[in-house]
Amino acid sequence: TQLLEQSPQFLSIQEGENLTVYCNSSSVFSSLQWYRQEPGEGPVLLVTVVTGGEVKKLKRLTFQFGDARKDSSLHITAAQPGDTGLYLCAGVFGNEKLTFGTGTRLTIIP
Amino acid sequence: EAGVAQSPRYKIIEKRQSVAFWCNPISGHATLYWYQQILGQGPKLLIQFQNNGVVDDSQLPKDRFSAERLKGVDSTLKIQPAKLEDSAVYLCASSPHRTGVNEQYFGPGTRLTVT
Repeated sequence: TQLLEQSPQFLSIQEGENLTVYCNSSSVFSSLQWYRQEPGEGPVLLVTVVTGGEVKKLKRLTFQFGDARKDSSLHITAAQPGDTGLYLCAGVFGNEKLTFGTGTRLTIIP
Repeated sequence: EAGVAQSPRYKIIEKRQSVAFWCNPISGHATLYWYQQILGQGPKLLIQFQNNGVVDDSQLPKDRFSAERLKGVDSTLKIQPAKLEDSAVYLCASSPHRTGVNEQYFGPGTRLTVT
């Protein structure tokens, strides 16, 4: 069973600050996705990264895939209260099964 | 385009009772998933369908959980009898399934409380 560990587990910061959350595994991903989940809703896909070293930007969010395709990071610039939620990474391994990470619960304080 | 629909949104039952959840995936998505998400954790896959066939049910507790997707569209997940530890959010997702990517689209979930 492939495991994805996310860190930190909880993060609470002031509006306007920057932050980075991490997703790590000992296994190689064929692709990796980041989702955001708000209370009472299902996860919503933010981005998919496929190539080692790939960087994708979505407004104030920057996603990076590690060169070895075993890790990823999500950086948020100038965080806003609307960024509050549970951030989940999910990796696709050789059998194409999607395995979710443990999640990072982010709270942005106005 | 309509998203993944699930019902009911909330359900409270007593232990040993039975319960069923319904899911209607995005039109044209052949792959459908049921996940269990315990509070504070990431979703855990229970079962995956490709059209109306089961692809992966290795983590489904088959002594009490069952799922079907008879016509390759809607799906139901049933728990009988429920246990306290089944309290969780049950998420349905569907995917257009591009090889090696597997992007999934989730419904709002059903929050089950077993008392």
